[in-house]
Amino acid sequence: TQLLEQSPQFLSIQEGENLTVYCNSSSVFSSLQWYRQEPGEGPVLLVTVVTGGEVKKLKRLTFQFGDARKDSSLHITAAQPGDTGLYLCAGEGAGSYQLTFGKGTKLSVIP
Amino acid sequence: NAGVTQTPKFRVLKTGQSMTLLCAQDMNHEYMYWYRQDPGMGLRLIHYSVGEGTTAKGEVPDGYNVSRLKKQNFLLGLESAAPSQTSVYFCASTRPVPYEQYFGPGTRLTVT
Repeated sequence: TQLLEQSPQFLSIQEGENLTVYCNSSSVFSSLQWYRQEPGEGPVLLVTVVTGGEVKKLKRLTFQFGDARKDSSLHITAAQPGDTGLYLCAGEGAGSYQLTFGKGTKLSVIP
Repeated sequence: NAGVTQTPKFRVLKTGQSMTLLCAQDMNHEYMYWYRQDPGMGLRLIHYSVGEGTTAKGEVPDGYNVSRLKKQNFLLGLESAAPSQTSVYFCASTRPVPYEQYFGPGTRLTVT
């Protein structure tokens, strides 16, 4: 069974601060995705990383896939209240029709 | 283009009652999924389908049944609801490789 562990579980920061969220596993994934979920809504895909060592940027968000394709990180620069939400990582196993989801990091950005 | 829709949005059931949750997608996706989300447990896969007429069990299938009679629809049934099935249910769909999932808005179910 593939597991994805996210840390930290909760994060409360002031507007303008930087933060990093981690997603770790002992398993290798074909791709890894990050989603953001706002209260009362379904998760929304932010990015997919496929190649080991890949870095993708989405405005103030930077996503990195580990060289061994077992871990990933999400870095937010100058966080804003609009970044508040639950961030989920999800890994695609080779030959699997499913994604393995982490339990999420709940981020609160205080104005 | 509505994406993924779910009905109903909210429902309260009494123990032992039955109900069906409907998921519809207009993106012509082959794969569809049903998840439940509980505090501290994350998203857990209940059942999934890789094509019309096919279904498979996920991590937590007990107490649920599914059907995929049409490519665009995926139904989740609870035959005899239990309080442990109180949860928020999400449907998702994706095209294969990579499995970038598009989620519906969720159904909040309470079983008393």
